[in-house]
Amino acid sequence: DQQVKQNSPSLSVQEGRISILNCDYTNSMFDYFLWYKKYPAEGPTFLISISSIKDKNEDGRFTVFLNKSAKHLSLHIVPSQPGDSAVYFCAARDWSRQLTFGSGTQLTVLP
Amino acid sequence: SQTIHQWPATLVQPVGSPLSLECTVEGTSNPNLYWYRQAAGRGLQLLFYSVGIGQISSEVPQNLSASRPQDRQFILSSKKLLLSDSGFYLCAWTGQGVMTEAFFGQGTRLTVV
Repeated sequence: DQQVKQNSPSLSVQEGRISILNCDYTNSMFDYFLWYKKYPAEGPTFLISISSIKDKNEDGRFTVFLNKSAKHLSLHIVPSQPGDSAVYFCAARDWSRQLTFGSGTQLTVLP
Repeated sequence: SQTIHQWPATLVQPVGSPLSLECTVEGTSNPNLYWYRQAAGRGLQLLFYSVGIGQISSEVPQNLSASRPQDRQFILSSKKLLLSDSGFYLCAWTGQGVMTEAFFGQGTRLTVV
């Protein structure tokens, strides 16, 4: 039973355009959500997070939106750059502080 | 600043051989420690987590075990590797705050042949 789902395994976007990565969750006890970026053969690096009491958090080119009623969050990257090409993981945390990860979305930004 | 070290980076082991992967964290005390595995084409699966020395919780039944002999040391082991143990293993730590992100090591690519 996947509690965190990333239904798009891959996404291709033209450089300069917006990349939108989506994530859905089923556990209403999740109260903190994170996005990680991962290059091949490296560990994931933290990108941006959002608490369940907010609906938006912005950091430079990266914005995360949270829709609690729909149990949906998304990561927007504007403008997309070729260096953004990587696998993006959505993760959620509950009271136990364990992270539950989605299966990841491979983003390819085309020059 | 805090750093996390994980080694080795790559490992090729025959079926039936033992395994020991080590992870150490510097610059923090009493971290929560985690072992994850990323199998080909899949997300990150939590294998073990530890909230203190000698305290290990397992998320999935498997051929692996974990130990935490020191506050900032986390070891992933196996007595006899299986082909299905191949994958990319990641160690991570979090602080004790409610809204702290996890920091990951560089990972170990394990190939069981």
